[in-house]
Amino acid sequence: DQQVKQNSPSLSVQEGRISILNCDYTNSMFDYFLWYKKYPAEGPTFLISISSIKDKNEDGRFTVFLNKSAKHLSLHIVPSQPGDSAVYFCAARWGAGSYQLTFGKGTKLSVIP
Amino acid sequence: NAGVTQTPKFQVLKTGQSMTLQCAQDMNHNSMYWYRQDPGMGLRLIYYSASEGTTDKGEVPNGYNVSRLNKREFSLRLESAAPSQTSVYFCASSESSLNYGYTFGSGTRLTVV
Repeated sequence: DQQVKQNSPSLSVQEGRISILNCDYTNSMFDYFLWYKKYPAEGPTFLISISSIKDKNEDGRFTVFLNKSAKHLSLHIVPSQPGDSAVYFCAARWGAGSYQLTFGKGTKLSVIP
Repeated sequence: NAGVTQTPKFQVLKTGQSMTLQCAQDMNHNSMYWYRQDPGMGLRLIYYSASEGTTDKGEVPNGYNVSRLNKREFSLRLESAAPSQTSVYFCASSESSLNYGYTFGSGTRLTVV
């Protein structure tokens, strides 16, 4: 039973435009949501996070929005750059005392010059 | 500035063989994790160690064992490899289990034939 879902395996966007990556979750006990970015042959790197009590967090070109009632979050990248081409994983944290991350399947973003 | 180092980077095993994947971090992190990444499956937690001296099962622990050798090192052992264990394995660490900004290694690509 997948608790974090990324339903779009891939996304192509023109350079300079907005990229919107989506993620849905089912577990109401998640307290933090995160996005990781992964280039080929490298490990994932942490990109941005949002607490479950917030609805928006911004860091430069990256903004994450959280809609708790819909159990949905999204990552906006504006403007998109060719270097943003990577696989983006949505993840969520849960636990008590000892926490774990649950990851989605990932969305491959291609930014076309 | 090594971060998380995994060895080996590539390995081919025959069914039934055993091997140990090594992971070491130099950031004085308390918590360490082993994930596997399969096509279309995202990252799945195999085992984790919230602190030195403790280990716990994750989502997919069957067929694996782990050892938290000391604060720096966390190894993953396959006692009798099976083709279903063909995957890319990532080790990660974090300052504590409360910290969601994991640092990942670059991965070990394992093929079991």
